[in-house]
Amino acid sequence: NAGVTQTPKFRILKIGQSMTLQCTQDMNHNYMYWYRQDPGMGLKLIYYSVGAGITDKGEVPNGYNVSRSTTEDFPLRLELAAPSQTSVYFCASSYGANTEAFFGQGTRLTVV
Amino acid sequence: GNSVTQMEGPVTLSEEAFLTINCTYTATGYPSLFWYVQYPGEGLQLLLKATKADDKGSNKGFEATYRKETTSFHLEKGSVQVSDSAVYFCALSLGGGATNKLIFGTGTLLAVQP
Repeated sequence: NAGVTQTPKFRILKIGQSMTLQCTQDMNHNYMYWYRQDPGMGLKLIYYSVGAGITDKGEVPNGYNVSRSTTEDFPLRLELAAPSQTSVYFCASSYGANTEAFFGQGTRLTVV
Repeated sequence: GNSVTQMEGPVTLSEEAFLTINCTYTATGYPSLFWYVQYPGEGLQLLLKATKADDKGSNKGFEATYRKETTSFHLEKGSVQVSDSAVYFCALSLGGGATNKLIFGTGTLLAVQP
């Protein structure tokens, strides 16, 4: 049972570099989400998608981009990494509205 | 706007003590309410949920009742164990379609000592 799989688990980036955080789910869920978790700040929604080809901004979208070309995949792109993007990133998916969300293990990103 | 407020931690208890973690919410409409748990080094996993007023969610000895009159969803457990040490998040979900998203509280760290 793979569920939601995120890669990589850890990454260190230099300021100005770019990278893509990968997220894939094998549960045929329509909804997918990207959150960032900062110490003592809970989870903030970056972007979400309600189906293939549809994405929308969450609370903190600046500095990030997403795409949803398939139901399974929802990659998160950082174009110009900044120290403020140092965080733990979680991808999640759910079948529909008001249903349980399943989370990946997280990606710990440090920008130096 | 829509938001979730939960008590700040850390909460430190001895084994077999009674646990309450307070959670209140602000929402337009009728949200579903959730408690998620995050064990060290892991992602979040659903602990329990309630989808309408007066519903009680329960799992693994934890309970929470959806109180519309007080806009609350407090988490309780009668006797905690060391293995319950984790961060607990209260969350709400509103609507469907393009507006569906989970909104989380800041999390409460629970540390249970033997």
